[in-house]
Amino acid sequence: NAGVTQTPKFQVLKTGQSMTLQCAQDMNHEYMSWYRQDPGMGLRLIHYSVGAGITDQGEVPNGYNVSRSTTEDFPLRLLSAAPSQTSVYFCASVRDRSHEQYFGPGTRLTVT
Amino acid sequence: GDSVTQMEGPVTLSEEAFLTINCTYTATGYPSLFWYVQYPGEGLQLLLKATKADDKGSNKGFEATYRKETTSFHLEKGSVQVSDSAVYFCALKTGGGNKLTFGTGTQLKVEL
Repeated sequence: NAGVTQTPKFQVLKTGQSMTLQCAQDMNHEYMSWYRQDPGMGLRLIHYSVGAGITDQGEVPNGYNVSRSTTEDFPLRLLSAAPSQTSVYFCASVRDRSHEQYFGPGTRLTVT
Repeated sequence: GDSVTQMEGPVTLSEEAFLTINCTYTATGYPSLFWYVQYPGEGLQLLLKATKADDKGSNKGFEATYRKETTSFHLEKGSVQVSDSAVYFCALKTGGGNKLTFGTGTQLKVEL
């Protein structure tokens, strides 16, 4: 089991560029989510998905898109990067009924 | 809405000292409560959890008791080690979904 994997680990973008952060899990978890982590603010939920084909917005969705075409993959797209999106991004998946969320190692994104 | 308040860090202790990290919450209904730990350069890992009032979660020498009357879930360890140096996040989940609300995190540094 690889668990939750994220790529890339580090990324630098210029303002206005777009990119996709990849997230995959091999645990057959239905629920997946994306968080951003900023100093002094903990983790904030961006988008989540309760299963393939179903996504919904979290606390801070603006500037991000997601899709869930398979159970395994949950990519996060930045449409037009802004310096305010400089952050560490974590993907997580959860095993129903156990309440334990499994987190990926994170992607550190810098937008200049 | 739901919220979690943690003591600000960093907390610096000597090895074998007693640790308390305070966590209080505001939530509708009856939340499940969690402590997650983030070691340097890694994603978050579940440390312990409690799903109802007066439950005590424990793992790796850490403990936390769900106190409904004081809306608290303080993390304690009797004797910390250098390897416990990490950021600790208190979190809650309400309702039937899987959305977590995180505190801002408390950095713990343990020195020899």
